[in-house]
Amino acid sequence: DAGVTQSPTHLIKTRGQQVTLRCSPKSGHDTVSWYQQALGQGPQFIFQYYEEEERQRGNFPDRFSGHQFPNYSSELNVNALLLGDSALYLCASSPEWANEQFFGPGTRLTVL
Amino acid sequence: ILNVEQSPQSLHVQEGDSTNFTCSFPSSNFYALHWYRWETAKSPEALFVMTLNGDEKKKGRISATLNTKEGYSYLYIKGSQPEDSATYLCAFWMDSSYKLIFGSGTRLLVRP
Repeated sequence: DAGVTQSPTHLIKTRGQQVTLRCSPKSGHDTVSWYQQALGQGPQFIFQYYEEEERQRGNFPDRFSGHQFPNYSSELNVNALLLGDSALYLCASSPEWANEQFFGPGTRLTVL
Repeated sequence: ILNVEQSPQSLHVQEGDSTNFTCSFPSSNFYALHWYRWETAKSPEALFVMTLNGDEKKKGRISATLNTKEGYSYLYIKGSQPEDSATYLCAFWMDSSYKLIFGSGTRLLVRP
């Protein structure tokens, strides 16, 4: 049984560009959350998707948007990239809210 | 602003030493407290999900306690081994919310 997978593993972009990160949840999981982890900090909640709707959002600007597909996979889109968007982006899935979250390996985004 | 604090930030111990870390979280609107282990180049892995005041959980040489009234949790590792070297994250789940609020983690290095 494959766990949570994310693509790509690494990505380099320049300021002002747009990026799309992808996540496939663990089999049987219908909820996907996205987190941003900057150097030296814990993961920060971006948003959570359930039944193809954004269920809750953290303190991130509208440049961060997402989508969940009928097969529960998800995308994170970031527009107008800033240097400060450089971070590790983690995706986590769960079968229902309040249970443990299963994390993917992350996508390392570098903005130059 | 909800804050989750972890101490110490980092810890170097000898193989065989026992060690413990602290996680402080808001004592109101508590729903759950999660502990994760994050080894370098891997995905964060859930250790414990704790929901009841006074909870004590154990997995092998690792155990955790929870005090929701005063807002803290301890993680203990008995007889540390080099393979225990990792970052240990705690995360607070507030009632009526869908997001985990993470601390910055404790980085443990166990020397052989």
